[in-house]
Amino acid sequence: RKEVEQDPGPFNVPEGATVAFNCTYSNSASQSFFWYRQDCRKEPKLLMSVYSSGNEDGRFTAQLNRASQYISLLIRDSKLSDSATYLCVVNMGTNFGNEKLTFGTGTRLTIIP
Amino acid sequence: ETGVTQTPRHLVMGMTNKKSLKCEQHLGHNAMYWYKQSAKKPLELMFVYNFKEQTENNSVPSRFSPECPNSSHLFLHLHTLQPEDSALYLCASSQGPLETQYFGPGTRLLVL
Repeated sequence: RKEVEQDPGPFNVPEGATVAFNCTYSNSASQSFFWYRQDCRKEPKLLMSVYSSGNEDGRFTAQLNRASQYISLLIRDSKLSDSATYLCVVNMGTNFGNEKLTFGTGTRLTIIP
Repeated sequence: ETGVTQTPRHLVMGMTNKKSLKCEQHLGHNAMYWYKQSAKKPLELMFVYNFKEQTENNSVPSRFSPECPNSSHLFLHLHTLQPEDSALYLCASSQGPLETQYFGPGTRLLVL
């Protein structure tokens, strides 16, 4: 089983639609979780951290399910500018000095006008 | 955004060359990282430095040699690379090892 697994897509979604991605992780002791966004030929940038209680930032909602070991990202009212690759990132470390930020392969999203 | 800068942005080198990649962060962070991103593969963590001390070497071949002279600068020295080392090399920094990482724009490396 991969440490962090995502559906690579591509997801082709019409503008204004709602889209959701899931990401599963293998290490039940993982401490922190993030969604990053990477535009074509650019560096990854933090989209949002994922908190245990779930969190929302505008049109974006992130959820964590520790029991099933997955995180999700929901994008509502999608915009053309949301087209990017979305990277699921899990910190597999458990001790200070043993941190290991592990990236998924990313889910490619294209918003269609 | 100039929080994390990397030079050069593009590099073409032969297998016998020696070159260095440079990363500088202006965010006052204590941890710095080197990642490799190849096509259709996830980002691979190569090295981690925390307070200038290397805390992780993710089984990286010795032809890659990191150097962290201070908490703001990170180098990746390259020698006798192979064509399969061609990739995007990303530097990142964070306040601490568990904190959000901020990435530089990367160096796109081509080894001929």
